Amino acid sequence: DSGVTQTPKHLITATGQRVTLRCSPRSGDLSVYWYQQSLDQGLQFLIQYYNGEERAKGNILERFSAQQFPDLHSELNLSSLELGDSALYFCASSVAGGTGVIFFGQGTRLTVV
Amino acid sequence: GIQVEQSPPDLILQEGANSTLRCNFSDSVNNLQWFHQNPWGQLINLFYIPSGTKQNGRLSATTVATERYSLLYISSSQTTDSGVYFCAAYQGGSEKLVFGKGTKLTVNP
Repeated sequence: DSGVTQTPKHLITATGQRVTLRCSPRSGDLSVYWYQQSLDQGLQFLIQYYNGEERAKGNILERFSAQQFPDLHSELNLSSLELGDSALYFCASSVAGGTGVIFFGQGTRLTVV
Repeated sequence: GIQVEQSPPDLILQEGANSTLRCNFSDSVNNLQWFHQNPWGQLINLFYIPSGTKQNGRLSATTVATERYSLLYISSSQTTDSGVYFCAAYQGGSEKLVFGKGTKLTVNP
């Protein structure tokens, strides 16, 4: 167990819908990262927060948004879902950004039908 | 931005064989990590190795930062070693952790 908690583990939803993925970082970690992994694809960086502030942004679609709350948990919101958004979404955390060991949650498997 | 390249993309071994996975990066990095993604999708930390050599059981890793590469050694492979191995590094001046495309390892009994 990495200590990073993601909910839900599985999610099936229809095209056009909106979903929220939740992540609780490891105790003491201030930095949260979100990654997307499509079938047989590598890990695509979406966005990173440190202590509530956005610090780095990848190729995150405009339909996607995220935030980190004062208690350090983070949410990734995906809207107007398309079939191509089906993927495994990972959250990860580290003590600081840009350095140190990063730990991954178990992921949320999103299926858009 | 930093480029992280892994080789080989696929590797098939018989149980008990040894293997070496390579990770090249295009720029100097302060941090390099190796992960194993098991067949159930879990990403497990193997090594945090900005430089030097570390060992953990049958696995060891070496990073030569000045030459911009890292190696992961797996000895006496077991079927449970199957999965995808990723290396990742922070992009310089950024907090973005960039992953290579991975090496898919299959260990047959």
